Amino acid sequence: AQSVTQLGSHVSVSEGALVLLRCNYSSSVPPYLFWYVQYPNQGLQLLLKYTSAATLVKGINGFEAEFKKSETSFHLTKPSAHMSDAAEYFCAVRPYGNNRLAFGKGNQVVVIP
Amino acid sequence: DAGVIQSPRHEVTEMGQEVTLRCKPISGHDYLFWYRQTMMRGLELLIYFNNNVPIDDSGMPEDRFSAKMPNASFSTLKIQPSEPRDSAVYFCASSLEGSNTEAFFGQGTRLTVV
Repeated sequence: AQSVTQLGSHVSVSEGALVLLRCNYSSSVPPYLFWYVQYPNQGLQLLLKYTSAATLVKGINGFEAEFKKSETSFHLTKPSAHMSDAAEYFCAVRPYGNNRLAFGKGNQVVVIP
Repeated sequence: DAGVIQSPRHEVTEMGQEVTLRCKPISGHDYLFWYRQTMMRGLELLIYFNNNVPIDDSGMPEDRFSAKMPNASFSTLKIQPSEPRDSAVYFCASSLEGSNTEAFFGQGTRLTVV
């Protein structure tokens, strides 16, 4: 089955510093890819998605992600972290022609003042 | 639309009891997903439906778990009998047709089995 790998369960970043969360997928055929955010005691909310229209995807709250086929990656970035970015972030994959939606293990982001 | 609605938000039950979790997807959505979230295992896909028909239930842990979707606006996840290791947050999500579409999540049901 298609899967995504997120390394480093906990990520600490200083306020104002770059946020970088890595996501790699396992597939020879590029799937559709998503980043979700989960705030405490809430459901998951879509940040952005890759659907092959453009390799650089901009999402909400200043986040963006770049799809790189050669690296089978879809890393999430934000130039300057804000305290409100403290949350858990999930990368998800939905294979082309298949509607199964599977998630990575997630990254818990802590923002240090 | 009010989004995906799950009930109850919290459930505490004793080991051996039957537990039923409920979900109302977004109107017009063709797909419904049930996930379980724990610290140890992360977010696991249990089962998903397309037009009320179960498509993939390979993630259902064991026979104690069952899920139904009797119509387009309602789904249940039942655990019978419940065990302490079933304690987790259970999420329901729905989406439109097409693997390029995102899923919308409910607020989850936090289940505690004592």
